[in-house]
Amino acid sequence: SQTIHQWPATLVQPVGSPLSLECTVEGTSNPNLYWYRQAAGRGLQLLFYSVGIGQISSEVPQNLSASRPQDRQFILSSKKLLLSDSGFYLCAWTTNSNQPQHFGDGTRLSIL
Amino acid sequence: QKEVEQNSGPLSVPEGAIASLNCTYSDRGSQSFFWYRQYSGKSPELIMSIYSNGDKEDGRFTAQLNKASQYVSLLIRDSQPSDSATYLCAVSHSSNTGKLIFGQGTTLQVKP
Repeated sequence: SQTIHQWPATLVQPVGSPLSLECTVEGTSNPNLYWYRQAAGRGLQLLFYSVGIGQISSEVPQNLSASRPQDRQFILSSKKLLLSDSGFYLCAWTTNSNQPQHFGDGTRLSIL
Repeated sequence: QKEVEQNSGPLSVPEGAIASLNCTYSDRGSQSFFWYRQYSGKSPELIMSIYSNGDKEDGRFTAQLNKASQYVSLLIRDSQPSDSATYLCAVSHSSNTGKLIFGQGTTLQVKP
């Protein structure tokens, strides 16, 4: 069966520090991968998605970036975090455009 | 701008009652429709998928789809306190990228 892993579960970072969040999927090949952010009490905001290795689409202009160095690995990065980057970051995968997405457990990021 | 609209609630029902959650969407090209449950502090969990007009039942849950009216609903029968959560309606994006458009979610409170 397919599983998705995200780490770390929680992270506290100072303003201006770099960020790297990692997501990996097991049990499937060539998944579509997604990064979302959810602010407290708010809905899901799609940040990036990828349909293949090295293929990244950005949904929202911001100081975050994403990369997909391997088929089942998706990384979210920032060179300098802002206070507004705080939130609950979720990685998700799907096999094709008509199937549901499945979410990892998420990373709760607090910026101080 | 493709949108999914949900009443944010909270929707409060007594234990054992039927909870009715509603969702409308704007993208007429959408083909797949999903309901997710999100407990506070946790990631969204898929509970129902529906692809064609009509009703789909799974245990205490029934999803209803009316593509002509661009309307999706979720009925929860015999509501339990453990059903208290935020329910997210998600609709597939017509771009065939696997992207989903999420509503803001409806918070359900089931009172014992």
